Amino acid sequence: QKEVEQDPGPLSVPEGAIVSLNCTYSNSAFQYFMWYRQYSRKGPELLMYTYSSGNKEDGRFTAQVDKSSKYISLFIRDSQPSDSATYLCAMSATQGGKLIFGQGTELSVKP
Amino acid sequence: GAVVSQHPSWVICKSGTSVKIECRSLDFQATTMFWYRQFPKQSLMLMATSNEGSKATYEQGVEKDKFLINHASLTLSTLTVTSAHPEDSSFYICSASAGGPGNEQFFGPGTRLTVL
Repeated sequence: QKEVEQDPGPLSVPEGAIVSLNCTYSNSAFQYFMWYRQYSRKGPELLMYTYSSGNKEDGRFTAQVDKSSKYISLFIRDSQPSDSATYLCAMSATQGGKLIFGQGTELSVKP
Repeated sequence: GAVVSQHPSWVICKSGTSVKIECRSLDFQATTMFWYRQFPKQSLMLMATSNEGSKATYEQGVEKDKFLINHASLTLSTLTVTSAHPEDSSFYICSASAGGPGNEQFFGPGTRLTVL
């Protein structure tokens, strides 16, 4: 079993839809949770960074962490074609420590 | 802020040759740099972690004599793929951490290596 599981998709939604992306994990030591966006043939770009459980909102993006369920989510409101990319969840047990990535979910937002 | 560059962005080389990839933090001092490789439609796999002035720590299964990492300064780390073979063809991505409040890693744009 992988430490971090993420549905690879692909996920296709119409413009304006609310997108829900999720990851589950098995290591209860993880405390730092991140979401990255990666465009094709580019490096990942940090979108959201959350410590421990709770919600964090930044513009159209909301990150949720439920440590009791070992489940994290990223919601994208009013999705745009420019949001089309691969979204990677990542987590670590220590601050600045080794990141464990999910497989990434390929998202396509259709105009 | 927090810009990380990589050079070259892509490289093609012959089997048996060595290739050096540079990773630079442009606007901050990176206490730690990480090297990843990524195969098509797969996630990032950590290869090694390097701290400035120290030997790199390699992940299990990564040959340290094949993938030489040098972190000579707080803004530069290099990865040299020695005696490259076609199976080394991949997307290599570095990241850098300044050790700030969240110790976030900021990623470079990646280097696509093709070994013929």
